[in-house]
Amino acid sequence: EVQLVESGGGLVQPGGSLRLSCEASGFTFSSYWMGWVRQAPGKGLEWVADIKQDGREQHYADSVKGRFAISRDIATDSVFLQMNSLRTDDTAFYFCARESGVPSLGRGSYSFDSWGHGTLVTVSS
Amino acid sequence: SYELTQPPSVSVSPGQTASITCSGDKLGNRYVYWYQQKPGQSPTLVIYQDKKRPSGIPERFSGSNSGNTATLTISETQAMDEAEFYCQAWDSSTVVFGGGTRLTIL
Repeated sequence: EVQLVESGGGLVQPGGSLRLSCEASGFTFSSYWMGWVRQAPGKGLEWVADIKQDGREQHYADSVKGRFAISRDIATDSVFLQMNSLRTDDTAFYFCARESGVPSLGRGSYSFDSWGHGTLVTVSS
Repeated sequence: SYELTQPPSVSVSPGQTASITCSGDKLGNRYVYWYQQKPGQSPTLVIYQDKKRPSGIPERFSGSNSGNTATLTISETQAMDEAEFYCQAWDSSTVVFGGGTRLTIL
């Protein structure tokens, strides 16, 4: 059974930093792109970032580019999101998600087929 | 940047068919994905690559995509189908979600 368990959320002041972790199990972690999606309380889904299987390619939403960094560790089957210069509008539940698709069809063929339960990040003074 | 537009809400009576639309410029040229999210839960993929169903998703869920509009159709709706639904597509190497549609079973 695929499992994704996020941790690291909490309360942080504006301008502060936080590092989220997502531990994966139940599948071959090194074979999948992994991503983060966030959801502000009562709002819709917003893609944040994703990372290739070997960690050598990352993509970010414009809203977090330059402030957030995604990484992964195949030794612990984990993906991380380092969040710096946090703002109040970064307050959200952050979900870790596995991406599945057909490489020959390109990134457009990928979907988020498994999700964690999320961890809440609150940015407030 | 690319945008996906969904109606805020759709209502349907139990047993009827619900159709939720997702609009975007030449959306039919891209694959569309649909996610269901019930209150307090994480999203679940219900349709991928326009019209395919992941294992465990009932046949009542179907999808189509043509022109500028993709449609998620839920036939024989049940109370358990009440949820928020999001469409998703790719814009180059970035992901775009629609704003979400609240499906209410009256």
